[in-house]
Amino acid sequence: EAGVAQSPRYKIIEKRQSVAFWCNPISGHATLYWYQQILGQGPKLLIQFQNNGVVDDSQLPKDRFSAERLKGVDSTLKIQPAKLEDSAVYLCASSPRRFDRGSYEQYFGPGTRLTVT
Amino acid sequence: GQNIDQPTEMTATEGAIVQINCTYQTSGFNGLFWYQQHAGEAPTFLSYNVLDGLEEKGRFSSFLSRSKGYSYLLLKELQMKDSASYLCAAIDRGSTLGRLYFGRGTQLTVWP
Repeated sequence: EAGVAQSPRYKIIEKRQSVAFWCNPISGHATLYWYQQILGQGPKLLIQFQNNGVVDDSQLPKDRFSAERLKGVDSTLKIQPAKLEDSAVYLCASSPRRFDRGSYEQYFGPGTRLTVT
Repeated sequence: GQNIDQPTEMTATEGAIVQINCTYQTSGFNGLFWYQQHAGEAPTFLSYNVLDGLEEKGRFSSFLSRSKGYSYLLLKELQMKDSASYLCAAIDRGSTLGRLYFGRGTQLTVWP
């Protein structure tokens, strides 16, 4: 079974520029998550999708971050404009079952390491 | 609010046993995950406890006490490849169903 795919793996941009990350979850996984992991910290949830609908985006800085999951499969996360404090690893994860049916195991992709200079 | 607390760093030698503790405070607690994360890689699932007690899986075991808000991950017969960050994460079924709250991670270094 193929894992969660993410691209690019690394990205370096200057502050105020825009950047987009792509995620392809494991086939058939209904729930998709984007996390931000700052160096030395645990992952922090940014947004959670159930199929193509948003379940939770309470931690997403909506003035600069946006995400979509068209057709309930692939997802993109965009930052516009980027700030220095956005330097982090952006992890995508997917889960096979509905979040409200008692199974919460999440499978993570390799992440995109973003450096904002 | 939610608070997940675990030690920042631990060291041990090959062949030894190490216990990584985690305390949590969340509303609507519904289970506790442990993930392993090697440097520059994605977290990988180790264990999930929802009931009190010990779950054993090979060299790794995980314990949960819901009444004490406490969990630990026990690693036996340590190997060099066990050097990694170990993340404790609690599922919160409060206002947001199924949200996972992670601790900062415990960086374990295994010495020869």
